[in-house]
Formats: sequence, structure tokens, C-alpha cells
Amino acid sequence: ETGVTQSPTHLIKTRGQQVTLRCSSQSGHNTVSWYQQALGQGPQFIFQYYREEENGRGNFPPRFSGLQFPNYSSELNVNALELDDSALYLCASSRQTSGGAETQYFGPGTRLLVL
Amino acid sequence: AQSVAQPEDQVNVAEGNPLTVKCTYSVSGNPYLFWYVQYPNRGLQFLLKYITGDNLVKGSYGFEAEFNKSQTSFHLKKPSALVSDSALYFCAVRDEGGSQGNLIFGKGTKLSVKP
Repeated sequence: ETGVTQSPTHLIKTRGQQVTLRCSSQSGHNTVSWYQQALGQGPQFIFQYYREEENGRGNFPPRFSGLQFPNYSSELNVNALELDDSALYLCASSRQTSGGAETQYFGPGTRLLVL
Repeated sequence: AQSVAQPEDQVNVAEGNPLTVKCTYSVSGNPYLFWYVQYPNRGLQFLLKYITGDNLVKGSYGFEAEFNKSQTSFHLKKPSALVSDSALYFCAVRDEGGSQGNLIFGKGTKLSVKP
């Protein structure tokens, strides 16, 4: 098991609502990335946070936003939920260095169901 | 654009037999390649990665992968499969010059090992 934790484990929301997912990174890691994994698909990169700033973003609309805190924990916020937002949301932490080859370690995920 | 292909949705192997899970990739620069495994209702667990150097990479739980630049492949292998290896396997790639967070994942290959 990695040291990455996520909360909550499961969540049910209705269309149009807003949701906040939380992630605590592994000790010694300073970078957090978020991924969306739809059923039967591989994870898709949403964005990454380093030093409390967004440091890369995938093809997701602005209603997906995030935060990183001084202790390197992170939040993913999704506004105006749509049915297609139903997925497993994965957080991954890593220790960013100049080499760029660091391994990302994933948490267990938050399963979001939008009705 | 970066991409990863896992051509087999499912691989079936008898316990004790060797296994191979295939992965091909496309990046513009030098690739960083990763294999992860996902058990039901769990996050992704890191198995191994190729950054540079020896084309044969050894990882966790007896798995290894061979990087083949001419065939742009990074197949996962294990000499003797266990029933407990049954899970979903994901290949991922990051371009050497890309954002450290932005892993591109394949769709996954379900490995089934029968006793």
C-alpha cells in the first residue's frame, strides 16, 4: 500500500451539484496529480499541482479545479456535475525533481456517482 | 501526440505458465514507460518503469518488461504466472519533455490466471 489517502471512498451526487474530493500525499512528496478513470477505461490526466500551483492540465473543462495546500495535500473540485462525471477519481503523489522520471504513487480513489 | 495501445482486452494464462501483456507507445521524444496493476475496487499499484539504460527492467512481484525502441513496445512479462496475478494491467507513457504529472494510460488489459 502507498501512503496516499483519499476521501471519501464513495460519493453520490445529483446533476448540477458541486463536489470536493480530498487527497493526502505520501510523506516526502511535493507534487499531486489527479486522474479520472471512467468504467472500462484507463485513467485520464486532469491536472497536477506543485508548490500550490497548477503545473499542467489535461483536456478537462474549467469546472474541474483544484487546490494544493502547504502540507502538499490537495483537493479536486467539480462544479455543475454532469452524468458523465461519474467515475473513479484517482490522486497520485510524487516527488518532483529536475529529472522528470519520478514514479507516481496512487491512492485508492474516490468513486463518484452522479444521478 | 502521445498515445499508448494495449491491443488485448484480456489475456488468459494457466498458473505456472509464462505470461505476456503487450503495450506499444507513441511519443515525440524519448519515452518514460510505466506499468501499473489495479485490483478490483483499488487504486493503481506501481510495478516497474523504464527511463533509460538496460532494456530489460525488473519490477515488483517477479514482473519484468522489455523496452524495444525499434518496435516502440514495452511488453510486461512474468516467467511463471500465479492465480493472484489476476488483475487489470495498465501501461503508461510520458514524453521526456512533458509535464511530470501527465501520464498517458492505455485502456488496460485484464489478466486472468486459472489454476
